[in-house]
Amino acid sequence: AAGVIQSPRHLIKEKRETATLKCYPIPRHDTVYWYQQGPGQDPQFLISFYEKMQSDKGSIPDRFSAQQFSDYHSELNMSSLELGDSALYFCASSLGPFGTGELFFGEGSRLTVL
Amino acid sequence: SQQGEEDPQALSIQEGENATMNCSYKTSINNLQWYRQNSGRGLVHLILIRSNEREKHSGRLRVTLDTSKKSSSLLITASRAADTASYFCATDAPREGTALIFGKGTTLSVSS
Repeated sequence: AAGVIQSPRHLIKEKRETATLKCYPIPRHDTVYWYQQGPGQDPQFLISFYEKMQSDKGSIPDRFSAQQFSDYHSELNMSSLELGDSALYFCASSLGPFGTGELFFGEGSRLTVL
Repeated sequence: SQQGEEDPQALSIQEGENATMNCSYKTSINNLQWYRQNSGRGLVHLILIRSNEREKHSGRLRVTLDTSKKSSSLLITASRAADTASYFCATDAPREGTALIFGKGTTLSVSS
């Protein structure tokens, strides 16, 4: 079965650069979530979209933005990167707005900021 | 802010033993879920328990929920080396359409 696809899987950037992460949800899933997980930390919720509209917002820095496109894929844009942005970034998808069941996670994009 | 806190942070057991992990949360919830994460990999859903349920089973997994104490436990019976992973509880917030908030997780190590 198709899973959540994230790209790139690994990304190395310098401080103050920008980065874009992409997420392709499971077919027919209309809700996408972004999480950030630092080393040894729990996943921190950043932002979510339902039917291309932002549905919830967590601890996403102002330097970050995201959107969901008409084909339901989502992109997380990160600017003015800082060392502390180094983390695993997970995308998850679900069918319908949260409250109806489980989230399906991708394998993550590992961002390293030097 | 952190919704779930897990206990213990780390657990080491032998194959065949049972592993119990606990999770506490702060606000009222619609449901609570448990996820597993192998090192550096994505999270995988294990089980969901609704706020009106007290216990749920799935294979070797048993989850309990005590809404009066705002706590849940995950029991893995007859553990295997392949169960070695981090386990997270996750709760939704009361308002529909909000995202899952994860606890700090328990790192389980099962040795053969």
